[in-house]
Amino acid sequence: EDQVTQSPEALRLQEGESSSLNCSYTVSGLRGLFWYRQDPGKGPEFLFTLYSAGEEKEKERLKATLTKKESFLHITAPKPEDSATYLCAVQAGDTNAGKSTFGDGTTLTVKP
Amino acid sequence: ETGVTQSPTHLIKTRGQQVTLRCSSQSGHNTVSWYQQALGQGPQFIFQYYREEENGRGNFPPRFSGLQFPNYSSELNVNALELDDSALYLCASSQPGQGSEQYFGPGTRLTVT
Repeated sequence: EDQVTQSPEALRLQEGESSSLNCSYTVSGLRGLFWYRQDPGKGPEFLFTLYSAGEEKEKERLKATLTKKESFLHITAPKPEDSATYLCAVQAGDTNAGKSTFGDGTTLTVKP
Repeated sequence: ETGVTQSPTHLIKTRGQQVTLRCSSQSGHNTVSWYQQALGQGPQFIFQYYREEENGRGNFPPRFSGLQFPNYSSELNVNALELDDSALYLCASSQPGQGSEQYFGPGTRLTVT
């Protein structure tokens, strides 16, 4: 069974204090690893897709990286508006087409 | 480009009742997935529809059922509601195939009393 574990559960940073969020996964045949941002009471917002180990994607202050067992979301010089829950999800190459397995997220709070 | 929309925004039902939630997919997307998200947890996959057929299902009982229409909009139906069905129900649209990112709607908050 596919599993996704995110750590830490919660992270509090000062504005400008860089850090990383971790996503460890166990999957049979990775088809894609996804990062989403979710604000309270809203649906997840797509950030990145990573397909193979060694791949990296960047968007503003965020950079996502992928290895064979985990992914990191690096946040450089965060701002208060980066406060949100960040979700990691995987899609596997099994018969359940289109199913994304999500972790429980890391809730990031950035203080000014 | 029109994003994913869901209705209603909030809903309160009594245990044992039935509920229908609705979703309109993003323009150009013909695949719709439904997820249940309990407070403090990640979304759990319920099922996916492609070309009006169920195309994958998670560990949810048969009282969770769905439909997809020719315009790619979709419905989620839940019969015999239980207290544990209280959650945020999310609809996501995507292009067909594995490895495609999903675009989520704002969700429907269902409370079962």
